[in-house]
Amino acid sequence: EVQLLESGGGLVPPGGSLRLSCAASGFTFNSYAMSWVRQAPGKGLEWVSGISGRGDSTFYADSVKGRFPISRDNSKNTLYLQMNSLRVEDTAVYYCAKDGGVAVAGLFDYWGQGTLVTVSS
Amino acid sequence: DIQMTQSPSSLSASVGDRVTMSCRASQTISSYLNWYQQKPGKAPKLLIFAASNLQSGVPSRFSGSGSGTDFTLTISSLQPEDFATYYCQQSYSTFTWTFGQGTKVEIK
Repeated sequence: EVQLLESGGGLVPPGGSLRLSCAASGFTFNSYAMSWVRQAPGKGLEWVSGISGRGDSTFYADSVKGRFPISRDNSKNTLYLQMNSLRVEDTAVYYCAKDGGVAVAGLFDYWGQGTLVTVSS
Repeated sequence: DIQMTQSPSSLSASVGDRVTMSCRASQTISSYLNWYQQKPGKAPKLLIFAASNLQSGVPSRFSGSGSGTDFTLTISSLQPEDFATYYCQQSYSTFTWTFGQGTKVEIK
């Protein structure tokens, strides 16, 4: 059974940093691309960032480019999102999502339960 | 970016009803269209991929159709567990994937 478990969310002031983690199990982690997708309170879904199965290709939405580096440790079956220079508008539930293949293709077939990030002073 | 517009934004229906909802892309996306279901406080769940392909484990009362710019999700006989918000998402425009704003299905 595929399981994705996010952690690392919390309350942070504007300009601060957080690192999100997503522990994966139930599939061959290094064979699949992974993404982060966020959802602001009461709003829709926004793709944030993706990384290939081997970790050699990374992609970002314009809204987070240069601030939120994505990475993965295939030896630990874990995905990360380092969130820097946080803004109030980054407040959201952050989901990690498994892609359908080794390349980042935007087909999210499994999702974690999400972790809430609140940016506020 | 490709804009995805869903209609209606909400609908009321009864158990057993046939329900349809639409998704329109701002430019052609071939069949690169996926549908997700989200219940309150829960993660989205993939229902349909590539416009008309049922994800494994999803009940056959769900179906998708369309290509180009216009797509439809149909629930043939609404069940109590289907009350949720449904999102479409285009996977055509590489690394700028976008979602619709959602259609909320409520109990009449």
